[in-house]
Amino acid sequence: SQTIHQWPATLVQPVGSPLSLECTVEGTSNPNLYWYRQAAGRGLQLLFYSVGIGQISSEVPQNLSASRPQDRQFILSSKKLLLSDSGFYLCAWSVRTEYQPQHFGDGTRLSIL
Amino acid sequence: AQSVTQLGSHVSVSEGALVLLRCNYSSSVPPYLFWYVQYPNQGLQLLLKYTSAATLVKGINGFEAEFKKSETSFHLTKPSAHMSDAAEYFCAVRVSGSARQLTFGSGTQLTVLP
Repeated sequence: SQTIHQWPATLVQPVGSPLSLECTVEGTSNPNLYWYRQAAGRGLQLLFYSVGIGQISSEVPQNLSASRPQDRQFILSSKKLLLSDSGFYLCAWSVRTEYQPQHFGDGTRLSIL
Repeated sequence: AQSVTQLGSHVSVSEGALVLLRCNYSSSVPPYLFWYVQYPNQGLQLLLKYTSAATLVKGINGFEAEFKKSETSFHLTKPSAHMSDAAEYFCAVRVSGSARQLTFGSGTQLTVLP
C-alpha cells in the first residue's frame, strides 16, 4: 500500500532563517506531488505541484520554492523565512488518473519567531 | 473554472442528531467531487468521492453524500453524530485539464455537543 511521510512534524524557526521540509511517498511510481499551506482558521492554499522529476509549477508568488530531486521526493524550501510563512504545511500525492483523489501527509506545523 | 462553496463555516449538532454539511459546486464539465475530514494537527483524510457512477456515495465512518446535478450540490450527511466526528470538513472538486486536480472549499468546522 502507499504511504506518505512528512517531516518534521513541528518546527520553530527565527525570522530570516532558511527552511527545508521534506516529503516522500512509498508504494507508487510517477505520482503527482503537491505542497499546501493552511493558515490558522483558513482553508488550503496550493503552493506548488509537480508532475515529474524537476517539473515544478508555482501557484502563488512568495519566498518559498520547491524541488523534486527524485520521483517520490518533494522538498519545500526558503532562503529567508518571513513571519507570514507561519502555518501548517501539507504534502499530498495522487496517481495521474484524472478522477483519483489526493492523499495527504500528517503535516508540518511551522512557527516563525 | 471549477469551484466549490461550503455554506456555513461552523456547524454544531447534538450527539445522535443528523449531520448535514453543505457543498455546492460550479463546473462547466461533469465534476468529480470529494469530501475530506481533518482532525486537529493532522492531514486530510478522504471520506468519499463522486466519480459519475452512483449519485449516492457512501464513505467511511458512516458518512454519505448525494450528487444532485439540478441543484449543483454534493452535501455530506450522517444520520447520527458521534463525538468523534468533531473535525473540519472540506469539499473539493477536480479541476479539469490540470495536474492541480483539486480545488478545495473553505471548510466547515463541525462541533458535536454532548
